[in-house]
Amino acid sequence: GAVVSQHPSWVICKSGTSVKIECRSLDFQATTMFWYRQFPKQSLMLMATSNEGSKATYEQGVEKDKFLINHASLTLSTLTVTSAHPEDSSFYICSASIGSARNNEQFFGPGTRLTVL
Amino acid sequence: GQSLEQPSEVTAVEGAIVQINCTYQTSGFYGLSWYQQHDGGAPTFLSYNGLDGLEETGRFSSFLSRSDSYGYLLLQELQMKDSASYFCAVRDRRDDKIIFGKGTRLHILP
Repeated sequence: GAVVSQHPSWVICKSGTSVKIECRSLDFQATTMFWYRQFPKQSLMLMATSNEGSKATYEQGVEKDKFLINHASLTLSTLTVTSAHPEDSSFYICSASIGSARNNEQFFGPGTRLTVL
Repeated sequence: GQSLEQPSEVTAVEGAIVQINCTYQTSGFYGLSWYQQHDGGAPTFLSYNGLDGLEETGRFSSFLSRSDSYGYLLLQELQMKDSASYFCAVRDRRDDKIIFGKGTRLHILP
């Protein structure tokens, strides 16, 4: 089946630093990847849609200058949390779908737990 | 916009059957999906309904009624490992985004 990896799986950083999270589709090409954020015991909140070769589409309320997304190739999208603050601490998950799939199936990465001190 | 409603928590007994309902509102409906997420893990795909009716996959079944904007996930022969959160999700035909409901936390009692 389709596999999506994320790196790192967890990260602890100081307030004010930037953190980059990588999302890779390992055995398929993904023209579109999605980035979600999830707080404890809450749902997945879509942050942005990452499109290969073009700018990401951000959801309302998500600061594009704070959450930089780069989809440089068909297998890699990166999310950079710039000038991180404690309120940015969350579980960040990416997903991708195989272009021909019509069943909405999203393949999720294992997630990255970010803790900002 | 899109919105999905599902119960926040459901409790059932091991070996029993449980149904998790989901109602949705979307401007460009393109199928209802269900995902399972264990604590600390990533969501995994369970099922998809693009047309009305019942889809069965082993112990799990999912139903859709597009006229009622309603669907449900049915879990049979519950096992302790089924304790998890279950999310319904819709895909918007216009922009291909998938939006998740708030999730239903399933507690299973021995």
